[in-house]
Amino acid sequence: AQSVAQPEDQVNVAEGNPLTVKCTYSVSGNPYLFWYVQYPNRGLQFLLKYITGDNLVKGSYGFEAEFNKSQTSFHLKKPSALVSDSALYFCAVRDVGRYGGSQGNLIFGKGTKLSVKP
Amino acid sequence: EAGVTQSPTHLIKTRGQQVTLRCSPISGHTSVYWYQQALGLGLQFLLWYDEGEERNRGNFPPRFSGRQFPNYSSELNVNALELEDSALYLCASSLLQGAMALHFGNGTRLTVT
Repeated sequence: AQSVAQPEDQVNVAEGNPLTVKCTYSVSGNPYLFWYVQYPNRGLQFLLKYITGDNLVKGSYGFEAEFNKSQTSFHLKKPSALVSDSALYFCAVRDVGRYGGSQGNLIFGKGTKLSVKP
Repeated sequence: EAGVTQSPTHLIKTRGQQVTLRCSPISGHTSVYWYQQALGLGLQFLLWYDEGEERNRGNFPPRFSGRQFPNYSSELNVNALELEDSALYLCASSLLQGAMALHFGNGTRLTVT
């Protein structure tokens, strides 16, 4: 079964410092990987996705993620954190169907709360 | 472009009652997904509809059901509400073809007392 794991419940970073939010995955076949962000009392906003191609994926708001097949990881990164980046971050993988084909729904990790202090 | 809209935004129900939540997808999107976000449990996949048909279902009991209408809007119905059904219910939409991202609404906050 497809799954993602976010090993950290919370990440604390000082404003201006680089940030990393970790995600590892377990899939059968090629992974379709996503990062989303959720602000309080709001739905999820899409940040970026990896389907194929370059291992470094650039997304919204200055975020990027590095796909590492050998380590089955897809960590979210940003060179310089902002206080406004404080939010809940979710890693997700596209589900597979009964016969291995990619399905539409996503399987989400439990989320990592990012706190950026001034 | 209007985003995914959900109604109502908040709802309070009593245990044993039934509830219907509604979702309108982004124009042109044919797939609608429902997720439950309960405190401390992350996002749990409930249901996926496309072209009016249920395509996949998460590990939830049959009292969670739904449907998709010809205009691609969707309803989520929950019967015999239990206290643990209290959660934020999120709807998302996407184009089916390709590895498209899901676009989420702001959710319906359901409280069961």
